[in-house]
Amino acid sequence: QSVLTQPPSASGTPGQRVTITCSGRNSNIGTNTISWYQRLPGTAPKLLIYKTDQRPSGVPDRISGSKSGTSASLAISALQSEDEADYYCASWDDSLSDYVFGTGTKVTVL
Amino acid sequence: QVQMEESGPGLVKPSETLSLTCLVSGGSMSRYFWSWIRQSADKGLEWVGRIYSSGSTNYSPSLKSRVTMSIDTSKNKFSLRLTSVTAADTAVYYCARSTAGIMYYYMDVWGKGTTVTVSS
Repeated sequence: QSVLTQPPSASGTPGQRVTITCSGRNSNIGTNTISWYQRLPGTAPKLLIYKTDQRPSGVPDRISGSKSGTSASLAISALQSEDEADYYCASWDDSLSDYVFGTGTKVTVL
Repeated sequence: QVQMEESGPGLVKPSETLSLTCLVSGGSMSRYFWSWIRQSADKGLEWVGRIYSSGSTNYSPSLKSRVTMSIDTSKNKFSLRLTSVTAADTAVYYCARSTAGIMYYYMDVWGKGTTVTVSS
């Protein structure tokens, strides 16, 4: 079972803002940075956010990451149909010596 | 730009060994970690382990007793061996280039994934 907990689903209409949460522990989110991955249907995961709030080249600035204590968030502003995908948070866990992924959140654009 | 492609048998019998290779093109393997991640329908994304360009490894504690990774930077490839497989090892296996340091670790380039089914 996943160590990081995410809501199973989130939705919004085009143009809205959607926020996905990722809840963890001191040994992972509380100590280390977070990455976020997007998985479009039938494709491999794609890095969206690294080091908690950094965007790789090519990821639009309407996508942002943050964390507070043992929780992290991914915000998608100006929601578009192309944002419909599964989103996963991830972090290194010092206690487990393991890289742990979140349970995943399916974003639906209504 | 760096591209990665997994290859290996799509079907493995229970109790046998799963072997996959990831071919890296378009860039050097030096100074990066090279990781394997898998995704099954019921378990979500699961980190299998990583190997540094020097050959040092880290494996997921849950798979450590059955996993071996190797790397050949001269041939731009790295490999995964998973022994004594069961149906629970059925998954899509991804290889990925990874960057790690103090308090951070992430995968920035992924292969397309290869489906491995464990069945007799």
